[in-house]
Amino acid sequence: DSGVTQTPKHLITATGQRVTLRCSPRSGDLSVYWYQQSLDQGLQFLIQYYNGEERAKGNILERFSAQQFPDLHSELNLSSLELGDSALYFCASSPSLGTGGEKLFFGSGTQLSVL
Amino acid sequence: GQQVMQIPQYQHVQEGEDFTTYCNSSTTLSNIQWYKQRPGGHPVFLIQLVKSGEVKKQKRLTFQFGEAKKNSSLHITATQTTDVGTYFCAGVNNYGQNFVFGPGTRLSVLP
Repeated sequence: DSGVTQTPKHLITATGQRVTLRCSPRSGDLSVYWYQQSLDQGLQFLIQYYNGEERAKGNILERFSAQQFPDLHSELNLSSLELGDSALYFCASSPSLGTGGEKLFFGSGTQLSVL
Repeated sequence: GQQVMQIPQYQHVQEGEDFTTYCNSSTTLSNIQWYKQRPGGHPVFLIQLVKSGEVKKQKRLTFQFGEAKKNSSLHITATQTTDVGTYFCAGVNNYGQNFVFGPGTRLSVLP
């Protein structure tokens, strides 16, 4: 158990809809990262939050947004969903900014299926 | 931006054979990390390499960091069925681009 909690585990929705994925980092970790993993694909970095502020941005679509709340949990909002958004979405956390040798602890992921 | 590549994409071996995956970064790295993702699971941290030319071993796994700190390799000796999974390298640099993952190498081990 990594200590990172993601909900829900599975999500099935239709095109055009909006969903929210939730992540609770390990106790004490200040950074939260979101990654997208499509079938047989690698881990595509979406966005990182550190202590409530956006720290780094990857290939995140404009239809996607995220935030980190004062209690450090994070939510990833996906809107106007398309079939191609179907993927496994991972959240990871690290103690601080992610530099200096920190490692990532991954949650079990949310499997999103857009029909 | 920084890019991290891995080869091969897939590798099928017979149990007992050796396996190697290679990781190359387009930029010099501060350090490199390796993660393993079992089928149906999530990535799990294996090791971190920091120094130029560093070699670390974990039982049957040997990790190397290149002299120029732009490439790395993971070698598994005498593979076992428990080694099945996808191995990712992740490059960490000092320019605001942390944890850029390579596409991974998926290892299958035939009993």
